[in-house]
Amino acid sequence: ETGVTQSPTHLIKTRGQQVTLRCSSQSGHNTVSWYQQALGQGPQFIFQYYREEENGRGNFPPRFSGLQFPNYSSELNVNALELDDSALYLCASSLDQLETQYFGPGTRLLVL
Amino acid sequence: AQSVTQPDIHITVSEGASLELRCNYSYGATPYLFWYVQSPGQGLQLLLKYFSGDTLVQGIKGFEAEFKRSQSSFNLRKPSVHWSDAAEYFCAVGADDKIIFGKGTRLHILP
Repeated sequence: ETGVTQSPTHLIKTRGQQVTLRCSSQSGHNTVSWYQQALGQGPQFIFQYYREEENGRGNFPPRFSGLQFPNYSSELNVNALELDDSALYLCASSLDQLETQYFGPGTRLLVL
Repeated sequence: AQSVTQPDIHITVSEGASLELRCNYSYGATPYLFWYVQSPGQGLQLLLKYFSGDTLVQGIKGFEAEFKRSQSSFNLRKPSVHWSDAAEYFCAVGADDKIIFGKGTRLHILP
């Protein structure tokens, strides 16, 4: 039990729709990172937020965006969903940028 | 650019046997190194990490890993595996404010 929660656990959307995934970090953790894990692959870094500002981004298009709130919660928004966006989305919180990351259980997104 | 290679997609060992999972990384400086485990349908759990200092790192569940700079490796070991160790194992390198994961090694345990 890492203290990091994500909602919803599962989600089904159709191509072209928009989705918002939510994460609640451990209290006191200033950094949240989001990852996409396709089936049979390792997690791919999407972006990281530190004290409510984006602090690093992987090779994902701008339709992937995020927000971090002062209450240690955060969101991942994906616009114009594509079939390839189907994956497990993981958030991870940490005290600081490269400190130990604690992962949530993930949200499994299916795009039809 | 930094990268992580886990050359073994699947590994099968008998319960009670020893285990070594391989990990090689590419990075210009000394990176932060991690091993995570993921059970089916679960998130990632940190087994151990290397930031600096002693190159032999002890983790949870009886796992250890050794950082070898000359080989750019960070292999995970366990002297005697248990059936509950069956899972997917990910090596990761932390650099430039992000963590890069390998593609994982799935560990199967024979009774």
